[in-house]
Amino acid sequence: AQKITQTQPGMFVQEKEAVTLDCTYDTSDQSYGLFWYKQPSSGEMIFLIYQGSYDEQNATEGRYSLNFQKARKSANLVISASQLGDSAMYFCAMREVDAGGTSYGKLTFGQGTILTVHP
Amino acid sequence: NAGVTQTPKFQVLKTGQSMTLQCAQDMNHNSMYWYRQDPGMGLRLIYYSASEGTTDKGEVPNGYNVSRLNKREFSLRLESAAPSQTSVYFCASRGRGELFFGEGSRLTVL
Repeated sequence: AQKITQTQPGMFVQEKEAVTLDCTYDTSDQSYGLFWYKQPSSGEMIFLIYQGSYDEQNATEGRYSLNFQKARKSANLVISASQLGDSAMYFCAMREVDAGGTSYGKLTFGQGTILTVHP
Repeated sequence: NAGVTQTPKFQVLKTGQSMTLQCAQDMNHNSMYWYRQDPGMGLRLIYYSASEGTTDKGEVPNGYNVSRLNKREFSLRLESAAPSQTSVYFCASRGRGELFFGEGSRLTVL
């Protein structure tokens, strides 16, 4: 079973509007971390935002916020005031702990959502 | 700031040839990783090194070997390349929590 599911292969948004990219995850751990990365057409992976499973507040970084709903196991990325430069592939990822209680930082990625911002 | 540097950025191989992807980080990170990215499948972990002197298999290790040469360098070797290994390969190192990625290496196996 997939551990990270991004159900939107592609999303379109008008410049200056807000957009939500969906991410659901599957884990039985109590301690885990959720990440969002941006991959523009140039190919590099850019870290955007992080949410820890014990964080009480939703994470925010500038125009990015993470709508974390623990009971629903969802960690949606919200981009406010979209810009043309936001057009990219976006990946949700999760860090779990191993059976030994460590994770060594390994991330499991979703399949990604391609966001296109229209002028 | 160089961050994570991968070489080469592009490579074309014939089936059965071998090659090594090099990765170096200058951020003094302990943990390093190799991922591959295929269309529609996100990034999948090939191997990782939690610290200098240790390496472990990830989700898709078959057909690959790795060497953690020192704290800075983590190489990925294809001993006998196959068309199924055509992919974009990313090296990464771990900061406080997030991973820092190199720019990727596009490998084509004919």
